[in-house]
Amino acid sequence: DAGVIQSPRHEVTEMGQEVTLRCKPISGHDYLFWYRQTMMRGLELLIYFNNNVPIDDSGMPEDRFSAKMPNASFSTLKIQPSEPRDSAVYFCASSPGPAVRFFGPGTRLTVL
Amino acid sequence: DQQVKQNSPSLSVQEGRISILNCDYTNSMFDYFLWYKKYPAEGPTFLISISSIKDKNEDGRFTVFLNKSAKHLSLHIVPSQPGDSAVYFCAARSYGGSQGNLIFGKGTKLSVKP
Repeated sequence: DAGVIQSPRHEVTEMGQEVTLRCKPISGHDYLFWYRQTMMRGLELLIYFNNNVPIDDSGMPEDRFSAKMPNASFSTLKIQPSEPRDSAVYFCASSPGPAVRFFGPGTRLTVL
Repeated sequence: DQQVKQNSPSLSVQEGRISILNCDYTNSMFDYFLWYKKYPAEGPTFLISISSIKDKNEDGRFTVFLNKSAKHLSLHIVPSQPGDSAVYFCAARSYGGSQGNLIFGKGTKLSVKP
């Protein structure tokens, strides 16, 4: 198995632009998670899905952030409009159960 | 307010010796704890976990100890190897809370010297 796949690996954009991060979970995993890592706050859960349904989005910072999981093999995290404080590494993870097991390599986002 | 704290940002150990990584928590509702290892430019990798009904769990060179009265857990790596050099995160889950919502510590960078 290729593991959790994220794209792009690096994204540099300008403030105000829309950013879309993509994730392909491991086949057969029922749970998908989006995490953000910053120096100040460490690793924080943004949202997670169970069987494609959002279960907990309490970590989504504000309305500029949205996440979708249209099917079991794909999820997106969208930021619109992006701001410099959104600069971070965004990890997608998937697991057969609710405890996170497999992280993707992350997307390093820089908003200028 | 950090609910999961890793007070040592870094640790250096000689190859072959024991590495002990520590983690303290404040929330007595945490019922499940996990350790992850992270190499640069990669995502965290799950290492080992422990339920609050146990005080020890072992997997090869890795052992996690849980002291509920002290709200403290530790990860022991014996013997340490240069390939163990990475950042180690502990994480905790709250009983009755969102089952997928883990609270992570900020990590301890372990360096194992040959």
